[in-house]
Amino acid sequence: GQQVQQSPASLVLQEGENAELQCNFSSTATQLQWFYQRPGGSLVSLLYNPSGTKHTGRLTSTTVTKERRSSLHISSSQITDSGTYFCAINTGANTGKLTFGHGTILRVHP
Amino acid sequence: ETAVFQTPNYHVTQVGNEVSFNCKQTLGHDTMYWYKQDSKKLLKIMFSYNNKQLIVNETVPRRFSPQSSDKAHLNLRIKSVEPEDSAVYLCASSYTGGSDYTFGSGTRLLVI
Repeated sequence: GQQVQQSPASLVLQEGENAELQCNFSSTATQLQWFYQRPGGSLVSLLYNPSGTKHTGRLTSTTVTKERRSSLHISSSQITDSGTYFCAINTGANTGKLTFGHGTILRVHP
Repeated sequence: ETAVFQTPNYHVTQVGNEVSFNCKQTLGHDTMYWYKQDSKKLLKIMFSYNNKQLIVNETVPRRFSPQSSDKAHLNLRIKSVEPEDSAVYLCASSYTGGSDYTFGSGTRLLVI
């Protein structure tokens, strides 16, 4: 079946540093999204980026579909960015079914 | 307020009992999902309905059964819960094909 690999598994930053999260997937993805989950919280969609580069606020995602990889760049990290970041893909069939990676746990310290 | 609403937030029950979780979305979406998030935070889809029709039915134990009365509601029933059912159950909705994906706040189940 489809596999989604995320790296690193965890990341610790000082406030103000930048973060780079990676996502590699085994099948061609027709849909790729990045989600964020605060400890004990729900998932919030950050960026929908099946190909190319997308920006929102301090977040930039670049997806290279042919190479089956995507990255999420967080600039000038803040303490409130701490949480788990998930990459998820939908490989088609119009079902909306998402396959998730294991996530990257980000901790930002003051 | 438009969102995905789940009840209860938290439920503790004993092995062998039956539980039901409710999910309602007010976003006008036509597809709803149930995901299970285990203790290691891995998310896996269980079921998906599009306009009340079951379209995704992953390999889950038969004690799990989804129930959809209309496209805005998708409930989950678990008959005779087992310890490995302890997890967070997340409901989500989207438009057909997966755009505007929105998750509820989750139902945390603890089976003792």
